[in-house]
Amino acid sequence: KAGVTQTPRYLIKTRGQQVTLSCSPISGHRSVSWYQQTPGQGLQFLFEYFSETQRNKGNFPGRFSGRQFSNSRSEMNVSTLELGDSALYLCASSLVPGETQYFGPGTRLLVL
Amino acid sequence: ELKVEQNPLFLSMQEGKNYTIYCNYSTTSDRLYWYRQDPGKSLESLFVLLSNGAVKQEGRLMASLDTKARLSTLHITAAVHDLSATYFCAFHKGGANNLFFGTGTRLTVIP
Repeated sequence: KAGVTQTPRYLIKTRGQQVTLSCSPISGHRSVSWYQQTPGQGLQFLFEYFSETQRNKGNFPGRFSGRQFSNSRSEMNVSTLELGDSALYLCASSLVPGETQYFGPGTRLLVL
Repeated sequence: ELKVEQNPLFLSMQEGKNYTIYCNYSTTSDRLYWYRQDPGKSLESLFVLLSNGAVKQEGRLMASLDTKARLSTLHITAAVHDLSATYFCAFHKGGANNLFFGTGTRLTVIP
């Protein structure tokens, strides 16, 4: 069974631009969560989607948004990029909320 | 505030030695996870611990959970170089799907 896939794997943007990251969960998994990993703040929860609905959101500004499609694929969007948004963005999927989450390879975003 | 504290942050150990990584969390938890991350890579699920006294073992790694002490441990037996990685504990609370991660322990096994 294929794992969680994320595209693109690497991205370079400049301040003020916006970016969209994509995540395809493991087949049959309906819950998708997003995390940001930085050297300074570690791994932080961004948001969680289940059945196309955002169930939870972490403590991030409104510039960070996401959505989930009917096939459980998810996207996250960051608008008006700041230098501090440079990070590894990890997507994780689980069968349903509360079950073990399996992580994708991540998208490494560099904001210049 | 929900907190997860891991120690040590850095661990350098010789092959063949034993060591334990500690993970303290600040509130009750439904389940406790251990993940491994190799440099530049994603997180690999190692263990999920569901109840007080749970113990799971895989190869040279053994994880345990004491919910009363809000403590989980990851014990490494006879370390080998392939175990070099960063290890994270994370706890999951309630019906939410967000994991609260510890700071990670960067393990280096020296031949």
